[in-house]
Amino acid sequence: GDSVTQMEGPVTLSEEAFLTINCTYTATGYPSLFWYVQYPGEGLQLLLKATKADDKGSNKGFEATYRKETTSFHLEKGSVQVSDSAVYFCALSVGRDDKIIFGKGTRLHILP
Amino acid sequence: NAGVMQNPRHLVRRRGQEARLRCSPMKGHSHVYWYRQLPEEGLKFMVYLQKENIIDESGMPKERFSAEFPKEGPSILRIQQVVRGDSAAYFCASSPTTGVNNEQFFGPGTRLTVL
Repeated sequence: GDSVTQMEGPVTLSEEAFLTINCTYTATGYPSLFWYVQYPGEGLQLLLKATKADDKGSNKGFEATYRKETTSFHLEKGSVQVSDSAVYFCALSVGRDDKIIFGKGTRLHILP
Repeated sequence: NAGVMQNPRHLVRRRGQEARLRCSPMKGHSHVYWYRQLPEEGLKFMVYLQKENIIDESGMPKERFSAEFPKEGPSILRIQQVVRGDSAAYFCASSPTTGVNNEQFFGPGTRLTVL
């Protein structure tokens, strides 16, 4: 079945470091891909998305490119901030009902 | 425009009791999704509803769990005779319609603890 695999956390980085969180997927059909972020005590917020191959989603300095050949959607940011500390979920959606399939999440800690 | 509202935020029940979780979608949204997040796991789809209709309940356990989205009022996720394994965070999301480019907006979740 459809699934998402992302790197396990926690990931701890210093402020201004480069961030990569790996994500790969398995899907029947042609999925839309997402990154969601969950700040402590809050619900999930959509960070960025891509709906077709080679699309690049970007928001708040984060980027991810839909790579069909490697079935990947890695999240990157050039210079992280303490305020980026959160849990990041890679996800996909296939089919007309739009139910979302999530990875297990990666907890990110940014140290000042 | 208020976001998706869920209440209660925290719910404690003893084994065998009933749990009722409420979700008020964003204004103008007629599609509601429920997800469950077990400890150290990602969110898992449970059920998708439109007003007064269950569209897809493939992720919901066949027994003890039910969901509704009445014409008036919030969507309700009901768990009867709760067991310890039901302890989780339950998230609701809403969207105005469906479609590949349509975003689901998530509520803050209800954290259920079964003693």
